[in-house]
Amino acid sequence: KQEVTQIPAALSVPEGENLVLNCSFTDSAIYNLQWFRQDPGKGLTSLLLIQSSQREQTSGRLNASLDKSSGRSTLYIAASQPGDSATYLCAVGEGKLIFGQGTELSVKP
Amino acid sequence: EAQVTQNPRYLITVTGKKLTVTCSQNMNHEYMSWYRQDPGLGLRQIYYSMNVEVTDKGDVPEGYKVSRKEKRNFPLILESPSPNQTSLYFCASSLGSFGDTEAFFGQGTRLTVV
Repeated sequence: KQEVTQIPAALSVPEGENLVLNCSFTDSAIYNLQWFRQDPGKGLTSLLLIQSSQREQTSGRLNASLDKSSGRSTLYIAASQPGDSATYLCAVGEGKLIFGQGTELSVKP
Repeated sequence: EAQVTQNPRYLITVTGKKLTVTCSQNMNHEYMSWYRQDPGLGLRQIYYSMNVEVTDKGDVPEGYKVSRKEKRNFPLILESPSPNQTSLYFCASSLGSFGDTEAFFGQGTRLTVV
């Protein structure tokens, strides 16, 4: 059974720092991996989708990598801003989405 | 604007009183799904639909019903809500299988059953 883990559960950084969020999964037979952002009381916003054949995807200050062999994905956020404060969720796609518990990020001005 | 729309956003109801949460998408997506989000448990799939008139159970289907009479709509029905169904609910849609293509989520419905 696929299990998705995100570490750390919470992270607080000063504005301007580059940071990395981690996502690990137990079964490498995935179709894709998707990163989402969730603001308090709001829905999920898709950030990046990496197909299983890809190694990374970039969107603005965000870069996501995928290493299927080791069962890991990272989300790199460059030059963090207070507006980046949110919960970040990764989800493994294998016919359905299986979510991690999320990393709650706080960027302090 | 491409979007998934859920209604209502907030709902407080009493045990046993039937309710429906609506979900509509305007992207002509084949796949739709309902998730619930609970502290410590994360997001779990309730039901999903691969096309009109095709629905199937997810991981936590007990106490819920769905229907897919039209491609754009996928309502979630609680015939006899109970307090353990108090949760944050999300509807999602995807052009293809949720494992193959990008998923889009609604804004969520916060349900409280007293």
